[in-house]
Amino acid sequence: GENVEQHPSTLSVQEGDSAVIKCTYSDSASNYFPWYKQELGKRPQLIIDIRSNVGEKKDQRIAVTLNKTAKHFSLHITETQPEDSAVYFCAASISGGSYIPTFGRGTSLIVHP
Amino acid sequence: DVKVTQSSRYLVKRTGEKVFLECVQDMDHENMFWYRQDPGLGLRLIYFSYDVKMKEKGDIPEGYSVSREKKERFSLILESASTNQTSMYLCASSLLIKDNEQFFGPGTRLTVL
Repeated sequence: GENVEQHPSTLSVQEGDSAVIKCTYSDSASNYFPWYKQELGKRPQLIIDIRSNVGEKKDQRIAVTLNKTAKHFSLHITETQPEDSAVYFCAASISGGSYIPTFGRGTSLIVHP
Repeated sequence: DVKVTQSSRYLVKRTGEKVFLECVQDMDHENMFWYRQDPGLGLRLIYFSYDVKMKEKGDIPEGYSVSREKKERFSLILESASTNQTSMYLCASSLLIKDNEQFFGPGTRLTVL
C-alpha cells in the first residue's frame, strides 16, 4: 500500500519568513495530493491540492509543487503570519470511486511574531 | 457548506465500557471515515464506508467496529474500551467521485480511565 513520509515534524519560523514542508510517497500510481491545515482545537481543512498532471499550483501565499519522478511534493508558505501556526498534513491517493487518502504524520508549524 | 457533526466533543469512560461515537453529515456524501489522531502519528484510518451497510477496515480496526444504517450517519463502536484507546477521534465524509475533498467533524476527545 501507499506510504507517505512527511518532514519536518516541527517547524519554527519568524513572522515574514518562508516555510517549506516536504512529503514523499511510495506508490507511483498516486495522482492526487491534498494538503490539510488543522488549527489548535479545530478540525482539519483542505487548503490546497495538486493533481499529477500539474507541477505547481499557487493560491495567494501558499503553493504546492510536485515531482512525480522523485515521488515527492512540497507545501510552500511565503510571508508567514502568526495565523499560519497550525498542524499541516499532506496526503496521497489514487483517483477512484472510493477516495481513501494516506496521510503523512503532520508538521507542527509555529510562526513567532 | 458541508456540515459534519460528532455526538460529543469530550467523553470520559471506564475500562470495559461499550462506547458509541456518532457522526452525522448533511451533504448526502457516500463516503464516511473514522480516524484516530494521536500526537506524532497523524491521522490513522480505523474504518470507512462507501455506502449504507457497507464497511471496510482501515489501518487500525482492532478493538473497533462500525455501523452505517443510514447514509448520513456513521457510528464508531468500542466494544470494550481500553486505556490505549484514549485518543482524539475524527469523522470525515466525502463524495463518491475521484479526487474529492474530505470534510472533517470537530472531533471527539475520548478518555478511558
